[in-house]
Amino acid sequence: DTAVSQTPKYLVTQMGNDKSIKCEQNLGHDTMYWYKQDSKKFLKIMFSYNNKELIINETVPNRFSPKSPDKAHLNLHINSLELGDSAVYFCASSQHSGNTIYFGEGSWLTVV
Amino acid sequence: DAKTTQPPSMDCAEGRAANLPCNHSTISGNEYVYWYRQIHSQGPQYIIHGLKNNETNEMASLIITEDRKSSTLILPHATLRDTAVYYCIVRANLNTNAGKSTFGDGTTLTVKP
Repeated sequence: DTAVSQTPKYLVTQMGNDKSIKCEQNLGHDTMYWYKQDSKKFLKIMFSYNNKELIINETVPNRFSPKSPDKAHLNLHINSLELGDSAVYFCASSQHSGNTIYFGEGSWLTVV
Repeated sequence: DAKTTQPPSMDCAEGRAANLPCNHSTISGNEYVYWYRQIHSQGPQYIIHGLKNNETNEMASLIITEDRKSSTLILPHATLRDTAVYYCIVRANLNTNAGKSTFGDGTTLTVKP
C-alpha cells in the first residue's frame, strides 16, 4: 500500500498552460505538504496544510494554489506555467504532533 | 530551525559500515536530529531521529554527541542499494512549522563493490 501517492508521476506541458498535481495519503495524518526540488536538488517547502487549513505558505508565486478538500488530500494547481516551474514536486504528510514526514514518489514537471 | 553542515560526498565499500557526519552547532534544546535519504528518482525516505540519546532501528544507528552539536548516522553494513543522498536536518517537534526545515545539500554516499 502506497502511503503518500501523487499523480501524475510525469507531466510535460507547454508554457502558459494550467495543470494540477494530486496527492493523497492513507496514513491518517493531519498535516500535508508540497515541496519543490529543482535541478540543483535543493528541497524547499512550498505549502503546508493542517486539518485542511494553510499553516505554511513560503514565498511562492500566486500562480501556485494548493487545495485541500479533506485531511487526506492536498492538490497543487499551477496556472500559467513558466519554464522555471520545471522541477520535481513532492507531496508529503506527517502527524502534527509527531513531525516525521513521509514523502510521495514525486511528480516530474517539465515545461517546454 | 538550526542549520546543518554535511560533507558533500563520501564513498564506502560494500559490506562495511558507513559513517555519515553532521554538524548542527546551533541546535536548540527542543530540536530533534532527523535523517532522511533520497535514492535517485525517488522521494526522500525517513531513516531515524533522536533528541539526545543514541538511537537504533532496523535501518541505521544515530549517535548524538553529548553537547548535541554533531551527530553521526551509521549504516552498519552498507549495500549498493544504500547509495543515495543523505540529509541531516534539525527541527523542534510539536512545532507548527514542522515541515519548514530546509533539507540542505546533504551527503552523496556512494557504496562501491
